Amino acid sequence: QKEVEQNSGPLSVPEGAIASLNCTYSDRGSQSFFWYRQYSGKSPELIMSIYSNGDKEDGRFTAQLNKASQYVSLLIRDSQPSDSATYLCAPKADRGSTLGRLYFGRGTQLTVWP
Amino acid sequence: DTEVTQTPKHLVMGMTNKKSLKCEQHMGHRAMYWYKQKAKKPPELMFVYSYEKLSINESVPSRFSPECPNSSLLNLHLHALQPEDSALYLCASSQEWRTSRNTGELFFGEGSRLTVL
Repeated sequence: QKEVEQNSGPLSVPEGAIASLNCTYSDRGSQSFFWYRQYSGKSPELIMSIYSNGDKEDGRFTAQLNKASQYVSLLIRDSQPSDSATYLCAPKADRGSTLGRLYFGRGTQLTVWP
Repeated sequence: DTEVTQTPKHLVMGMTNKKSLKCEQHMGHRAMYWYKQKAKKPPELMFVYSYEKLSINESVPSRFSPECPNSSLLNLHLHALQPEDSALYLCASSQEWRTSRNTGELFFGEGSRLTVL
């Protein structure tokens, strides 16, 4: 069973601050990693994908990957109240019998207060 | 606007009813998925279709019956459900499944919220 661990939160930050979301995973074969944002009562929305070690920036979002440490994170700069949502970490199984599957963490609930 | 469309958005059914959830995508994707999500839990994979053929059935009870009539459409037929089956049912698609073209990016529809009385 592939394990994906995230701090369930809730994580609460003031508007304008940096929100840091963390994720560790057990499958050393994973090469692809995804962050989904899910507003309450809505479906998950893909916001970031990362495939190589290091940082990947997209607007206010930065994903960081360290495969040796089996760690992936998402930083949200200049947090806005509209960023308040649950963030799901999802590594992809890239080998073995589970090839192709995404494994979702339980999600971190983020609240950005004005 | 999502490019994966699910209908209905809400469904209430009794335990003896037969209903269907429908999903359509227009992105040319060849893999389609059904997920089930309970409150405050991550999505759970139910079925995967690749090129209109069932590739994965995650030991889902037979009261859930998937169907993929063509590469754009995915249905989930429901019969004799239990109250514990009440959940958000999510359809998703991706470019491919288990090939080198599978980037892993899943695109979800808005979901169908099912309540079983």
